[in-house]
Amino acid sequence: GPKVLQIPSHQIIDMGQMVTLNCDPVSNHLYFYWYKQILGQQMEFLVNFYNGKVMEKSKLFKDQFSVERPDGSYFTLKIQPTALEDSAVYFCASRRDWEYEQYFGPGTRLTVL
Amino acid sequence: GDQVEQSPSALSLHEGTGSALRCNFTTTMRAVQWFRKNSRGSLINLFYLASGTKENGRLKSAFDSKERYSTLHIRDAQLEDSGTYFCAAEAGNTGKLIFGLGTTLQVQP
Repeated sequence: GPKVLQIPSHQIIDMGQMVTLNCDPVSNHLYFYWYKQILGQQMEFLVNFYNGKVMEKSKLFKDQFSVERPDGSYFTLKIQPTALEDSAVYFCASRRDWEYEQYFGPGTRLTVL
Repeated sequence: GDQVEQSPSALSLHEGTGSALRCNFTTTMRAVQWFRKNSRGSLINLFYLASGTKENGRLKSAFDSKERYSTLHIRDAQLEDSGTYFCAAEAGNTGKLIFGLGTTLQVQP
């Protein structure tokens, strides 16, 4: 089936640094999502993005988070500055249109030291 | 807030038998997706339903928005069906998915 790619698969950084997580969504998809999963807990919605804009964000999407997709390239999640509680696996998802399913990437495991 | 309650949390089946997984929703959901997590931790899409039922091989899923539940039936279970299954319900107008905690299925010979 359609594949969503995420780069890198793992990232280790020091608290306070900036990190950018990259997502390469399916080529003809229009809606993009980030989800966060802390070890042992369920996956939780962070934000969704359509037509260059954030449509909805959860309370987990702190002021230090931002998303963008410049010129149809990677869909990115930037955290600046990072905090210890940002350690988690971040999953990107995309969907073609409103009536279609979301496809998930394999996740980026972020460890903040 | 909106919640998805998935049951059972763990399930053990013998090869050739079957069972059902269920997700109950605390509010009306627009659609539901079912996934299986593979050995590398990636989510594999199984079903997407906005209503009714769908079948794919030995798997069958149903979604009743009004009654606030969805089910995933597995028949003639095989060893390779072992893994963790998740339902995720689509809430609101922006398509965000709310995930259940998962069902860990173990199929034994």
